[in-house]
Amino acid sequence: GAVVSQHPSWVICKSGTSVKIECRSLDFQATTMFWYRQFPKQSLMLMATSNEGSKATYEQGVEKDKFLINHASLTLSTLTVTSAHPEDSSFYICSAVSGANEKLFFGSGTQLSVL
Amino acid sequence: SQQGEEDPQALSIQEGENATMNCSYKTSINNLQWYRQNSGRGLVHLILIRSNEREKHSGRLRVTLDTSKKSSSLLITASRAADTASYFCATDASGGSYIPTFGRGTSLIVHP
Repeated sequence: GAVVSQHPSWVICKSGTSVKIECRSLDFQATTMFWYRQFPKQSLMLMATSNEGSKATYEQGVEKDKFLINHASLTLSTLTVTSAHPEDSSFYICSAVSGANEKLFFGSGTQLSVL
Repeated sequence: SQQGEEDPQALSIQEGENATMNCSYKTSINNLQWYRQNSGRGLVHLILIRSNEREKHSGRLRVTLDTSKKSSSLLITASRAADTASYFCATDASGGSYIPTFGRGTSLIVHP
């Protein structure tokens, strides 16, 4: 199946710093990527839909200035957590839709810990 | 956006037994997909079933879809300890943009 690469796998940072997470589709072009956040033993909460060449669409309650999403190419979307705080600590997962078959392929996730 | 809701939330079985988990959703769909997530990892796509299909098989997996009841089931036969994971269903939106959303998942533990 298609491969989505996400990194870093984990990051520890100090409060107030910004963290960038990359999501790449390695063997297909993804016009749409999704960013999710997941707390332990909870569901994936959709944060935003990232469309190549246009602004991301954020879900209600997700601060767009806090979680900056850039989808500059058909194979790369980035999520930047700006001025991270301990409450931003979570598992972040990206996914990409593979063409017309509508299957979602996921990155392996990024565990963010903000001290 | 749609949301699938899985049940049970947790399932504990012995190796070799079958595991069945269910998913319910609220409005019309084009397709429904099942995913598996090992702890601390991304999700792995298991199977996609379209709205005009009633049953689909893939190895030890069997998925059914009942659009009249807006529900789907995932059956794992002859379970193995390696099947221990969380399982999620996701639906798209019929006639609208594809924005998959997930329920809380079923946590499956298979004891060796």
